[in-house]
Amino acid sequence: KQEVTQIPAALSVPEGENLVLNCSFTDSAIYNLQWFRQDPGKGLTSLLLIQSSQREQTSGRLNASLDKSSGRSTLYIAASQPGDSATYLCAVTPTDKLIFGTGTRLQVFP
Amino acid sequence: DAMVIQNPRYQVTQFGKPVTLSCSQTLNHNVMYWYQQKSSQAPKLLFHYYDKDFNNEADTPDNFQSRRPNTSFCFLDIRSPGLGDAAMYLCATSTRSEQETQYFGPGTRLLVL
Repeated sequence: KQEVTQIPAALSVPEGENLVLNCSFTDSAIYNLQWFRQDPGKGLTSLLLIQSSQREQTSGRLNASLDKSSGRSTLYIAASQPGDSATYLCAVTPTDKLIFGTGTRLQVFP
Repeated sequence: DAMVIQNPRYQVTQFGKPVTLSCSQTLNHNVMYWYQQKSSQAPKLLFHYYDKDFNNEADTPDNFQSRRPNTSFCFLDIRSPGLGDAAMYLCATSTRSEQETQYFGPGTRLLVL
């Protein structure tokens, strides 16, 4: 059974720091891995999608990497801003369904 | 803009009183999903439709039902809400391909009194 774990569960950093969020999964047989952002009381916004054949994806200040063999992904956020404060969820797609981690709650303070 | 819309955004119901949540999409996607997300937990898939084909998750309670009258609309019916059903309910859509992302609506926050 696929399990997805995210560490840390919560993170509080000052503005401007570069930071790394971690995601691990137990079964490497996946089609892709996605990172989502969720603001309090809101839905999910897709940030990056990495296909199983890819190693990384970049969008602006965000960079996500994927190492299928070790069952790990990282989301790198450069020069963090208060507007980055949210919960970040990773999810893998072993079939046609998303299996989510429980998220990392990020707070960036001025 | 193409999008996924959920109504209402907030729903208050009484214990045992049936409630229906609505989702619509302008993306013309084949697949529609319903997730339940409780506080500080990961979204949990309840069921999904491939076109008209309904796929129920094994651990989804019978209390939860769904209807998809056409490509654009999908409904979540909770027949007898309990206090434990209070949660955020998220609708998502995708194409038939497993390699494509899911697009999420803003969610409906359900409160059961």
